[in-house]
Amino acid sequence: DGGITQSPKYLFRKEGQNVTLSCEQNLNHDAMYWYRQDPGQGLRLIYYSQIVNDFQKGDIAEGYSVSREKKESFPLTVTSAQKNPTAFYLCASRSGTGGFGEQYFGPGTRLTVT
Amino acid sequence: DAKTTQPPSMDCAEGRAANLPCNHSTISGNEYVYWYRQIHSQGPQYIIHGLKNNETNEMASLIITEDRKSSTLILPHATLRDTAVYYCIVRSTPPGGADGLTFGKGTHLIIQP
Repeated sequence: DGGITQSPKYLFRKEGQNVTLSCEQNLNHDAMYWYRQDPGQGLRLIYYSQIVNDFQKGDIAEGYSVSREKKESFPLTVTSAQKNPTAFYLCASRSGTGGFGEQYFGPGTRLTVT
Repeated sequence: DAKTTQPPSMDCAEGRAANLPCNHSTISGNEYVYWYRQIHSQGPQYIIHGLKNNETNEMASLIITEDRKSSTLILPHATLRDTAVYYCIVRSTPPGGADGLTFGKGTHLIIQP
């Protein structure tokens, strides 16, 4: 089945460690996104990529890094510089590099840092 | 992108139509209205979008007022599985195609049995 997969569903890390969240899509979509959601809040955009080997910062990119070496994959690294990393992380993709089109979201990864 | 205002929560009886309002009084001419929903602890799901005409698909109908300052999402026969947070988003595509969605707090719709 076509879709977006994120792994793992739950992730636990100690403070000071970098952690990489996986996002894979087999929808042949060009654009991919990472969002963060805190309890009771809406989603906030971290990074997005419209084509391979290119990505842009979103509203809250500090403390995060991404790569887009393949069209299907857009991993997010939460670095030790991120002051409040505990959150629900959502990956999305969209067909086309411009214009409109709905975003398809993955199931999310819940990261807890202690 | 224009800001939206939604009620924080609403109840609806199962089998009845759920009407979710959204105010977007500062919307500009090239901005679309999008609706997504998020079931607890899952990723958001696209529902529908429109510019100025009313739209309908298999999930819902979108009614946009003539002045485009508000809209209503209608779920015609709500079921318990429609319990979710519903987000109304207004956005355009800037030159260059930069994008991403701005989600507010949405409306928590609770379908009562």
